[in-house]
Amino acid sequence: GESVGLHLPTLSVQEGDNSIINCAYSNSASDYFIWYKQESGKGPQFIIDIRSNMDKRQGQRVTVLLNKTVKHLSLQIAATQPGDSAVYFCAEIKDSSYKLIFGSGTRLLVRP
Amino acid sequence: GAVVSQHPSWVICKSGTSVKIECRSLDFQATTMFWYRQFPKQSLMLMATSNEGSKATYEQGVEKDKFLINHASLTLSTLTVTSAHPEDSSFYICSAKSGRKSETQYFGPGTRLLVL
Repeated sequence: GESVGLHLPTLSVQEGDNSIINCAYSNSASDYFIWYKQESGKGPQFIIDIRSNMDKRQGQRVTVLLNKTVKHLSLQIAATQPGDSAVYFCAEIKDSSYKLIFGSGTRLLVRP
Repeated sequence: GAVVSQHPSWVICKSGTSVKIECRSLDFQATTMFWYRQFPKQSLMLMATSNEGSKATYEQGVEKDKFLINHASLTLSTLTVTSAHPEDSSFYICSAKSGRKSETQYFGPGTRLLVL
């Protein structure tokens, strides 16, 4: 089943530093992965996606890395800003049902 | 970009009553909508998949008679929590996707339900 945690791991970074948020996904057959940002009391916001035939994809200030060998996904945020403070979730789509399976999430705190 | 709205944004109700939550795609037709539930400090848990004009598909452990889903049109899906109890208090989020082969889901802002 989906991963559920009672406590969100927290990453605290200094404003201006780079952030790296990690995620382990569950299904080796998954072929599409997405990173979402969720601010308190709001729905998830799409950040960046990557397909399984790629190992890296870059966006504006964000980079997603995919390591299929160890089923690991990471999100890198360059020059982290206070507005980046939120909970970040990775999600995978594993089949043609297009159901999203969410990871447990990481809280990013940006210190001014 | 594609916009999904939810109504109400928050609701407080007494135990035993039913609550209806609406999910609308404002500028696109949604062939499929998904309903999630999120408890504090936890991840989103998929409850059910709703396809326009057909019965919803529920995830294991989700009671279909308690969480009634209706996807009557290509822009509206509703989730009704029947006979709500305090343990149903949660953040309910919907998402919508536009094409049958589209992977992109657009999320609503969520509805916070508090059952007293």
